[in-house]
Amino acid sequence: QVQLVQSGAEVKKPGASVKVSCKASGYTFTSYYMHWVRQAPGQGLEWVGMIIPSGGSTSYAREFQGRVTMTRDTSTSTVYMELSALRSEDTAVYYCARDYCSGGGCYFLDYWGQGTLVTVSS
Amino acid sequence: QSALTQPASVSGSPGQSITVSCTGTSSDVGGYNYVSWYQQHPGKAPKLMIYDVSNRPSGVSDRFSGSKSGNTASLTISGLQAEDEANYYCSSYTSSSTLVFGGGTKLTVL
Repeated sequence: QVQLVQSGAEVKKPGASVKVSCKASGYTFTSYYMHWVRQAPGQGLEWVGMIIPSGGSTSYAREFQGRVTMTRDTSTSTVYMELSALRSEDTAVYYCARDYCSGGGCYFLDYWGQGTLVTVSS
Repeated sequence: QSALTQPASVSGSPGQSITVSCTGTSSDVGGYNYVSWYQQHPGKAPKLMIYDVSNRPSGVSDRFSGSKSGNTASLTISGLQAEDEANYYCSSYTSSSTLVFGGGTKLTVL
């Protein structure tokens, strides 16, 4: 069965960076785009960006360009999201989520990780 | 990219039907059929309920249905049940090759 298992909670100081991992299993890793979505406490969902695991191409939301980097390791079926220059407003649960379509993105997210809480506090 | 517009809350009694709207622009909802809906219970990850405007993934109840007219998509839940109480989010592919979500709608089953 498809599983996305994320790394554990992080506490960071303003200005620092955080790197969250998402290990996939139960399907062909390189066949499906992977997205990252975040949710601030009590707030809605916000798309951060996505990575194409087969070639490593990425697309980021304008709000995060310059601060976010998504990478993948095909040998371990793991994707990573690194967010730099953290500020308090980045405190949120970060989810990885698999794209529904095989071989191309259709931007529907069918499997989600359990979420990783990133807290930014001095 | 501005968030899609959803009502903050809707409510209904068990057995009734409710509809949640999701309004965007011609650059997102109106321009593509890549509209989806997610259900999220407190403390849980979102769950895909509708994709491609009106399709249900395997395992999702046929009480859930979706539609679109112009720049507005809609989610209808018929035969409301207590377990439907949750937050619902719409999303759409955009002309910038990004994904945008709605602000979310809290459904209360009275």
